[in-house]
Amino acid sequence: GAVVSQHPSWVICKSGTSVKIECRSLDFQATTMFWYRQFPKQSLMLMATSNEGSKATYEQGVEKDKFLINHASLTLSTLTVTSAHPEDSSFYICSAWGQGANEKLFFGSGTQLSVL
Amino acid sequence: GDSVTQMEGPVTLSEEAFLTINCTYTATGYPSLFWYVQYPGEGLQLLLKATKADDKGSNKGFEATYRKETTSFHLEKGSVQVSDSAVYFCALRISGTYKYIFGTGTRLKVLA
Repeated sequence: GAVVSQHPSWVICKSGTSVKIECRSLDFQATTMFWYRQFPKQSLMLMATSNEGSKATYEQGVEKDKFLINHASLTLSTLTVTSAHPEDSSFYICSAWGQGANEKLFFGSGTQLSVL
Repeated sequence: GDSVTQMEGPVTLSEEAFLTINCTYTATGYPSLFWYVQYPGEGLQLLLKATKADDKGSNKGFEATYRKETTSFHLEKGSVQVSDSAVYFCALRISGTYKYIFGTGTRLKVLA
């Protein structure tokens, strides 16, 4: 079945630094990818929708200058948390929409970000 | 706005016990409903889905019925196994969009 690879699975960084998370669709092309954030014991919250070759669409309340999303190819989307602060510590999950025979949502395994 | 509410966990059961994880939703229009499962260290995987009222989704012995009158999509399995231990997420997809709304997840632990 279709696989979405997310990397890294966990990252620890110092406050003020930037962190990049990659999301790759391994055996299908994904024109649309999604980024979610999950706090402990809470729902996955959609942060933004990323379409290949165009600007991401951010959900209300999500700072687009802090959470930079790039979807430069049909198999790769990246989320960069800029000038990270402890309140950005969270679990980030990407997903990709498969088309054609794979038309459904496939998820990465998530990235646990801890900002010290 | 649209939302999904599912029972808090963790749920701990003995092997071969009956499982129910409750899920209710609020939505405008006609959403599709899903159950996703997340095994340790892995991404969310689609377990089953239902796209309209009275549809029953089923997979791997799990089933859930789309109940419009009670706005529910409860997950059931007649006899759980240790390998079913995971976190289960109820979700809806807003009709006409790619947008999914998830519940908080329910951790299931099955003891041998």
